[in-house]
Amino acid sequence: DIQMTQSPSSLSASVGDRVTITCRASQSIDNYLNWYQQKPGKAPKLLIYAASTLQSGVPSRFSASGSGTDFTLTIRSLQPEDFATYYCQQSYSTPPWTFGQGTKVDIK
Amino acid sequence: QVQLQESGPGLVKPSQTLSLTCTVSGGSITNDGYYWSWIRQHPVKGLEWIGYIFYSGSTDYNPSLKSRVSMSVDTSKNQFSLHLSSVTAADTAVYYCAREGGRTDPWGQGTLVTVSS
Repeated sequence: DIQMTQSPSSLSASVGDRVTITCRASQSIDNYLNWYQQKPGKAPKLLIYAASTLQSGVPSRFSASGSGTDFTLTIRSLQPEDFATYYCQQSYSTPPWTFGQGTKVDIK
Repeated sequence: QVQLQESGPGLVKPSQTLSLTCTVSGGSITNDGYYWSWIRQHPVKGLEWIGYIFYSGSTDYNPSLKSRVSMSVDTSKNQFSLHLSSVTAADTAVYYCAREGGRTDPWGQGTLVTVSS
């Protein structure tokens, strides 16, 4: 299986901060990388697919980049509703499609 | 828009079979180009992809669970189901159904299944 490693596992930030989360794949996955946001008690919500394409309805303060094995998710100016856990997921080739362990963003 | 809703027992005894159903609304499960997945979330282990099914009945399962998993689809009811046999406490998790099309979206709200006697 392709292993996905996120860093950091958690971070504390303030409203208005710029936040960057990284995700590394154990082998090249081209751009088959998705990002999800999950709030407590809720299902994950798709934010970004194909490494950098913003899902419809997602605010433009979210952006992402990367290809191959290294990817980043950036929140340009953190808003109160952005405090959540973020997951990357690879959808390269055949399943199983694996997730990172998550990055929890909480209030400083 | 498409919505998914999981249903099934919230408590299953060890060694028994966990069975869940996902009802799809707002769209047809026979829509070409989409697969229908089950994913679970352990409190500690995180998100784990279980497998998916196509409306034709073709499936693909996570090798780590393959010996215990089966999925089925009922196109007349716009539903698909998960069956996980010989469950143990390690199968306690929130189970989600979701649509797959290169990315997982949308997801059902999830249902907690506890394995306990």
